[in-house]
Amino acid sequence: AQTVTQSQPEMSVQEAETVTLSCTYDTSESDYYLFWYKQPPSRQMILVIRQEAYKQQNATENRFSVNFQKAAKSFSLKISDSQLGDAAMYFCAYRDSNYQLIWGAGTKLIIKP
Amino acid sequence: GAVVSQHPSWVICKSGTSVKIECRSLDFQATTMFWYRQFPKQSLMLMATSNEGSKATYEQGVEKDKFLINHASLTLSTLTVTSAHPEDSSFYICSATRLAASYEQYFGPGTRLTVT
Repeated sequence: AQTVTQSQPEMSVQEAETVTLSCTYDTSESDYYLFWYKQPPSRQMILVIRQEAYKQQNATENRFSVNFQKAAKSFSLKISDSQLGDAAMYFCAYRDSNYQLIWGAGTKLIIKP
Repeated sequence: GAVVSQHPSWVICKSGTSVKIECRSLDFQATTMFWYRQFPKQSLMLMATSNEGSKATYEQGVEKDKFLINHASLTLSTLTVTSAHPEDSSFYICSATRLAASYEQYFGPGTRLTVT
């Protein structure tokens, strides 16, 4: 069975600095999707970024980028120029062949002004 | 596009009563809908997966007679918590996928259920 591990329960970063959130996963599949979701205090899940496993190029969305290492089964999220609005819970997720999402435990990101 | 709504956003009910939560895809047809439960400061726990016109598939440990899921149309799924008890108090989230982009789930804003 697939598993997703986020080893950082909490991270803090100074506003305007860069922070990296870690995620590792375990799977025997070769084709899959990985996601980072943000859950602010409103608790609405917001898609941050998506990576398709067959694409070697790392996905980027404005200030958000990933470092996807398929062989190492690692999928970290880098947030550049951190802003106060980035404060939230961040969840890493793996989409399995049944279209279900396997979730990591989450990382709470604190932005220091 | 790809907006999912949930109603109600917040509900309080008495122990022993039933409560229904609606999940609607507003601008697309949802081939599959998912129901999650989230406890405070924890990750999402998948409860069940439903496809329109089919019986829901429940995850291990989820009581199907307690959490009734109906996916009557391509835009509506409902979760009914029957004979609710205080331990059913939680945050319930639905999500939906569309045929054109089945790799992505679109999430509703969630429903906070409090059972007194």
